[in-house]
Amino acid sequence: GEQVEQRPPHLSVREGDSAVIICTYTDPNSYYFFWYKQEPGAGLQLLMKVFSSTEINEGQGFTVLLNKKDKQLSLNLTAAHPGDSAVYFCAVRDSGGSNAKLTFGKGTKLSVKS
Amino acid sequence: GGIITQTPKFLIGQEGQKLTLKCQQNFNHDTMYWYRQDSGKGLRLIYYSITENDLQKGDLSEGYDASREKKSSFSLTVTSAQKNEMAVFLCASSMGLGAETLYFGSGTRLTVL
Repeated sequence: GEQVEQRPPHLSVREGDSAVIICTYTDPNSYYFFWYKQEPGAGLQLLMKVFSSTEINEGQGFTVLLNKKDKQLSLNLTAAHPGDSAVYFCAVRDSGGSNAKLTFGKGTKLSVKS
Repeated sequence: GGIITQTPKFLIGQEGQKLTLKCQQNFNHDTMYWYRQDSGKGLRLIYYSITENDLQKGDLSEGYDASREKKSSFSLTVTSAQKNEMAVFLCASSMGLGAETLYFGSGTRLTVL
């Protein structure tokens, strides 16, 4: 089945620095890709979802890149601020309609110091 | 907007005890999920339910039962709590599968004495 490796497990940056989190997946049929953010004591909240057809997706203060050739998904925070401190998870799902399973990475704990 | 409510927020039980976690959503979503979150291990799927009265096993279903009593509620039972089961249990819901976003509750933290 699908395997998703996420790195790094911990990341500490200064305010204004960039931060990059990378996920590598194994299933070439993977089609839907998600980034979730989890703040302390809370559930996961969707940051962005991307589809296999789009390689670059921009949000507020971050960019998600999808490299299908290398089966790699990355989250790039361009200028981190303390409010970005959280645990970030990538998740991957294939296009099979009956497959409810999202495979999650193990998470990256991001700390942004002011 | 909607909300997912998990009860209780903290659950303390004895080893061997049967424990039930509850989840309610008011999104009117068809699909609901139970995940277990262990530090450093990400999220692992225990059970999911595509629609009312449906139940599907995830990767980690052994030692758990689940029940989709109605569309808005999905409960999880730890059949015999073990000390290595201490974790955060997250409930989620989505409109369907595929590209649908999962909406998560804030979790139930289980401690087994």
